[in-house]
Amino acid sequence: AQSVTQPDIHITVSEGASLELRCNYSYGATPYLFWYVQSPGQGLQLLLKYFSGDTLVQGIKGFEAEFKRSQSSFNLRKPSVHWSDAAEYFCAVDLTGGGNKLTFGTGTQLKVEL
Amino acid sequence: DTGVSQDPRHKITKRGQNVTFRCDPISEHNRLYWYRQTLGQGPEFLTYFQNEAQLEKSRLLSDRFSAERPKGSFSTLEIQRTEQGDSAMYLCASSPYRDYTDTQYFGPGTRLTVL
Repeated sequence: AQSVTQPDIHITVSEGASLELRCNYSYGATPYLFWYVQSPGQGLQLLLKYFSGDTLVQGIKGFEAEFKRSQSSFNLRKPSVHWSDAAEYFCAVDLTGGGNKLTFGTGTQLKVEL
Repeated sequence: DTGVSQDPRHKITKRGQNVTFRCDPISEHNRLYWYRQTLGQGPEFLTYFQNEAQLEKSRLLSDRFSAERPKGSFSTLEIQRTEQGDSAMYLCASSPYRDYTDTQYFGPGTRLTVL
């Protein structure tokens, strides 16, 4: 079945430390890939997206993600985490390639220790 | 650009009652999407509109659910004869859809609790 997996349900990092959130997809072709962040009471906000081209994608708030076809992965990274980054992060794919709908992973809850 | 708005933000209802949610997309966005998010899960696609046409419905959208976008602007999602399993966050998103690379912008959601 076509799916998106985020293997880490919860992650805790210290402020200033680096961060990597994992995302793997199961799909025959390369889907379009997204990372969204959700803070309590807020809507999902797009951090970055990948369609083609350079496999290292820069996003907002200092985030980046790298697409690795051989590993079917699209991991999100940040070199230095800020306390305000505490939120839930969702990886999503557009399997149809037509901007029709997104399939989301189950999310990773990030806690930042001061 | 005022963002996607949803009303109400919270709704508590008793099992068997009907509820209706409203979504106002970003102005001039021709695509509008509905998703449902249950606790501990990511959002799941329900349906989407291009202008006033409903182009796709998920199998999650049972006969008790109906969505409309009558004038291609705001949309409503109605749930008839609510069940406790309908308790979830209902998210709306919109997109300008000039091409497939356009982003879906999400609203804050309507949290439904069915007692």
